[in-house]
Amino acid sequence: GAVVSQHPSWVICKSGTSVKIECRSLDFQATTMFWYRQFPKQSLMLMATSNEGSKATYEQGVEKDKFLINHASLTLSTLTVTSAHPEDSSFYICSVGGREWSYEQYFGPGTRLTVT
Amino acid sequence: GENVEQHPSTLSVQEGDSAVIKCTYSDSASNYFPWYKQELGKRPQLIIDIRSNVGEKKDQRIAVTLNKTAKHFSLHITETQPEDSAVYFCAAPPYNTDKLIFGTGTRLQVFP
Repeated sequence: GAVVSQHPSWVICKSGTSVKIECRSLDFQATTMFWYRQFPKQSLMLMATSNEGSKATYEQGVEKDKFLINHASLTLSTLTVTSAHPEDSSFYICSVGGREWSYEQYFGPGTRLTVT
Repeated sequence: GENVEQHPSTLSVQEGDSAVIKCTYSDSASNYFPWYKQELGKRPQLIIDIRSNVGEKKDQRIAVTLNKTAKHFSLHITETQPEDSAVYFCAAPPYNTDKLIFGTGTRLQVFP
């Protein structure tokens, strides 16, 4: 499977500030990456599908102006949480895959965001 | 859109026993059904998957069965070990999309 990294692994920020999370595909070029959010003891909720060179596709209910996604290269996608609030505190995980990988998805290690 | 339901939410078994987790999906055109294992604070790991052209797939102590008519698939773990303790998620892709819709998860505890 694909090797995926995320940075940072954890971050604490103050309410009202912005945080950027990076997702890198280390061993193959990923046209498509996915961003998930996972609250404690809950499932993975897809936030958006990130497409290299084009705009991300957001799931219903996810604010695109709050969660900015940039997929500028085939190995890097970034998620920026703007004007973060305590309710944005969560585990954010990216993955690579989709139809170019016969639907298989491989996940990064996740980023734990705490907003104080 | 695709809806994936997963049962049970928690499952406790004695070491050596078998564990079965079931998922149902709504999109009859879905054709790929993975199972992920997630340990606390870690990333989900793909442990087995099945595609719509087969009814069963095995990998050592783990097997997945698929019933496309009934739109459900199951994860079977035999001879469970304490290291099998984790949260397991099923998933399915809506037809003609890249994304996966995940079930709500099953917390499996294997007691020695």
